[in-house]
Amino acid sequence: EPEVTQTPSHQVTQMGQEVILRCVPISNHLYFYWYRQILGQKVEFLVSFYNNEISEKSEIFDDQFSVERPDGSNFTLKIRSTKLEDSAMYFCASSGRGGGRVGELFFGEGSRLTVL
Amino acid sequence: AQSVTQLGSHVSVSEGALVLLRCNYSSSVPPYLFWYVQYPNQGLQLLLKYTTGATLVKGINGFEAEFKKSETSFHLTKPSAHMSDAAEYFCAVSDGDSSASKIIFGSGTRLSIRP
Repeated sequence: EPEVTQTPSHQVTQMGQEVILRCVPISNHLYFYWYRQILGQKVEFLVSFYNNEISEKSEIFDDQFSVERPDGSNFTLKIRSTKLEDSAMYFCASSGRGGGRVGELFFGEGSRLTVL
Repeated sequence: AQSVTQLGSHVSVSEGALVLLRCNYSSSVPPYLFWYVQYPNQGLQLLLKYTTGATLVKGINGFEAEFKKSETSFHLTKPSAHMSDAAEYFCAVSDGDSSASKIIFGSGTRLSIRP
């Protein structure tokens, strides 16, 4: 069964360093998302992406964050200068097969980011 | 704006007992509602969803949920809990009716199963 894959599964970085989290969405999906989950808290929406541009972003997604789909398969989230509060599990998701299924987001297993 | 509220951050039931996880929603438009499950160290998996039509929705692993507009609720139930059901459960609502719509999650309910 097709799945969303994310790398790395865990990354430890120093505060102020740049981090890139990578995702390979399901191949025929059209809509891509990043969510994050701070330990013990709710899953929060960061950004959605369609047709090579951001569709919507939350207040969390400030200038330190960026997303890119550099080729036909990868979808990346970059944090330019990490802060301690960026420590979280980051989930990539994709949706939109064919005519589209409302809200059926398929999630990856997450990338845990630890900022020291 | 759409939102969901999950009542109870932690629910513990005995194996074989009824599971009831509560979710209430707020939506300015007819809602699209979901339950996702997160097993330890894994991603989020869709359990079931309600869009239109039948208000009782059946999902995977024997779970079901009933959309009750009058109560603005979408509670998740399972008649008989298994040890393998131990996980975090998230109620969610779509902020629109297209594939582009994002999902807004509740704060989650951790389900524990007692032997």
